[in-house]
Amino acid sequence: GESVGLHLPTLSVQEGDNSIINCAYSNSASDYFIWYKQESGKGPQFIIDIRSNMDKRQGQRVTVLLNKTVKHLSLQIAATQPGDSAVYFCAENRLTGGGNKLTFGTGTQLKVEL
Amino acid sequence: GAVVSQHPSWVICKSGTSVKIECRSLDFQATTMFWYRQFPKQSLMLMATSNEGSKATYEQGVEKDKFLINHASLTLSTLTVTSAHPEDSSFYICSALLAGRTDTQYFGPGTRLTVL
Repeated sequence: GESVGLHLPTLSVQEGDNSIINCAYSNSASDYFIWYKQESGKGPQFIIDIRSNMDKRQGQRVTVLLNKTVKHLSLQIAATQPGDSAVYFCAENRLTGGGNKLTFGTGTQLKVEL
Repeated sequence: GAVVSQHPSWVICKSGTSVKIECRSLDFQATTMFWYRQFPKQSLMLMATSNEGSKATYEQGVEKDKFLINHASLTLSTLTVTSAHPEDSSFYICSALLAGRTDTQYFGPGTRLTVL
């Protein structure tokens, strides 16, 4: 079936190291992907997005890579800080009969160790 | 810009009562809003799509008579959980699309519902 999934449920990194969070998707027709950060008890916060006509996009300390050949998406966080501790979700924007809808992956808990 | 608020941020109610949750786009107009539900340690699951001036579209398995959605204006959508039961306890999150856009959703801070 079609799905968006994450490889690792928990990722622990040392402060200052780079973090890489991975996501696999199965719908080759998907053309837009978003990474969200969710802190405990809060709503998802937009981090960065990428369209299928790109393979890389950079923001402030974050980079998203898209590999359409293997249907893989990754979020790289440079110089990870304690404030980066949260759950990270990739989401796939799909055009359905009911309009555009977001399908979220299972999430990865990022823990930053001091 | 693109701020979405929810009210209340948390609510505790007795079983059998109804609870209304508001979702507002504060600085933009949103013809489409979405309602999600999130259980602890799980992902967000789309419940329904709310379109201003029309009936909401519910996802498969979501009871439309239990989760009433009203999108009466371009800045407000409400979700009413009717005859709430303990299994309805969850984190309810709304999002809004900028009018004229079909992609980026802006999320509210969520409402924690606890049914006793």
